[in-house]
Amino acid sequence: QLQLQESGPGLVKPSETLSLTCTVSGGSISSSSYYWGWIRQPPGKGLEWIGSIYYSGDTYYNPSLKSRVTISVDTSMNQFSLKLNSVTAADTAVYYCARDTGGSGTYLSWGQGTLVTVSS
Amino acid sequence: QSALTQPRSVSGSPGQSLTISCTGTSSDVGGYSYVSWYQQHPAKAPKLMIYDVSNRPSGVPDRFSGSKSGNTASLTISGLQAEDEADYYCCSHAGSYTYVFGTGTKVTVL
Repeated sequence: QLQLQESGPGLVKPSETLSLTCTVSGGSISSSSYYWGWIRQPPGKGLEWIGSIYYSGDTYYNPSLKSRVTISVDTSMNQFSLKLNSVTAADTAVYYCARDTGGSGTYLSWGQGTLVTVSS
Repeated sequence: QSALTQPRSVSGSPGQSLTISCTGTSSDVGGYSYVSWYQQHPAKAPKLMIYDVSNRPSGVPDRFSGSKSGNTASLTISGLQAEDEADYYCCSHAGSYTYVFGTGTKVTVL
């Protein structure tokens, strides 16, 4: 059974870089059928799509975050990662990683989510 | 890329049907057949309920159905049950493998 697990610091200082990793188990990140995405949810608010990556390294980003976001993949570790730079308090959110079937926004499998707080 | 518009809340009694709308533009909802719906209970990860406008993943009750007309997609819950009380979000392809979520709807079972 596919499992995704987010990991990374729970507290980041303003203006610094938020870094998270999603470890995939029970399936290969190199499968040609899937895209791997990041979605976030500020406390008490709605979901926001951040971006996704294909195993080949092709990336797709939310235009509103594109200047600050980098998503990368490490097929040898079966992981993909998120970096968001120049963070502010507005970036405080639960960050989810998820698997998209076929690049259609069909996120069937999700990680449990990890809360990242931006504060000094 | 603006968030898709959903009603803030809808409610219904057990056994009734209710419909949640998701309004976008011709650049997202109206332009593609890639609309999905997610159910989220408090402090839980979202769960896929509908994909590609009207398809249900295995294990999702057939009480849940999806449709689309023009720039508006809809999720209908028939035979409302207590466990359906949750937040629901639509999501649409917005071109070039980018996606946009809806503002979210809180469903209350009276």
